[in-house]
Amino acid sequence: DAGVTQSPTHLIKTRGQQVTLRCSPKSGHDTVSWYQQALGQGPQFIFQYYEEEERQRGNFPDRFSGHQFPNYSSELNVNALLLGDSALYLCASTRNRGRGYGYTFGSGTRLTVV
Amino acid sequence: ELKVEQNPLFLSMQEGKNYTIYCNYSTTSDRLYWYRQDPGKSLESLFVLLSNGAVKQEGRLMASLDTKARLSTLHITAAVHDLSATYFCARTFNNDMRFGAGTRLTVKP
Repeated sequence: DAGVTQSPTHLIKTRGQQVTLRCSPKSGHDTVSWYQQALGQGPQFIFQYYEEEERQRGNFPDRFSGHQFPNYSSELNVNALLLGDSALYLCASTRNRGRGYGYTFGSGTRLTVV
Repeated sequence: ELKVEQNPLFLSMQEGKNYTIYCNYSTTSDRLYWYRQDPGKSLESLFVLLSNGAVKQEGRLMASLDTKARLSTLHITAAVHDLSATYFCARTFNNDMRFGAGTRLTVKP
């Protein structure tokens, strides 16, 4: 049973460019959340998608946008990249129904902005 | 606003010793999670605590939840080197999971 898969694993971009990160949730999961983890810090919630809509959003600018597809996979797009966007981006999936379901995290995409 | 605070942020301990990591949160919410993260790796789920008084144990780790005190603890028993990692607690409020800053644990022989 595949867990959460993210691609690419590493990415180097130049300031001002745009980037798209991808996530396939664990089998049976329908909800996808994205997090940004800067070096030495805890993950920060970016947003969550369920039923192809953004359900909740953290304190991130509009440069961060996303999408969820009918197969529950998701993309995170970041426009006009800044040096401060360099971080590990984590995708997590869960089932929307029922209590006690934990979040399964992917291995992350390491984004470096130069 | 939901805030999650962990302490200590850094913990160095000898093998065989016991210690506790504390996680305080600011507002009531539904679930409390503990995760482990090894350097350069993703987050591994350790425990999900749902209700007041919940206690879960896995090997040398035991987690508990006191919703009245808004406190969760992660107790380490007879630490071994393999437990060296960063441990995060996280709390969900609506659909927003908030993480603590993490506790970087180093277990020395």
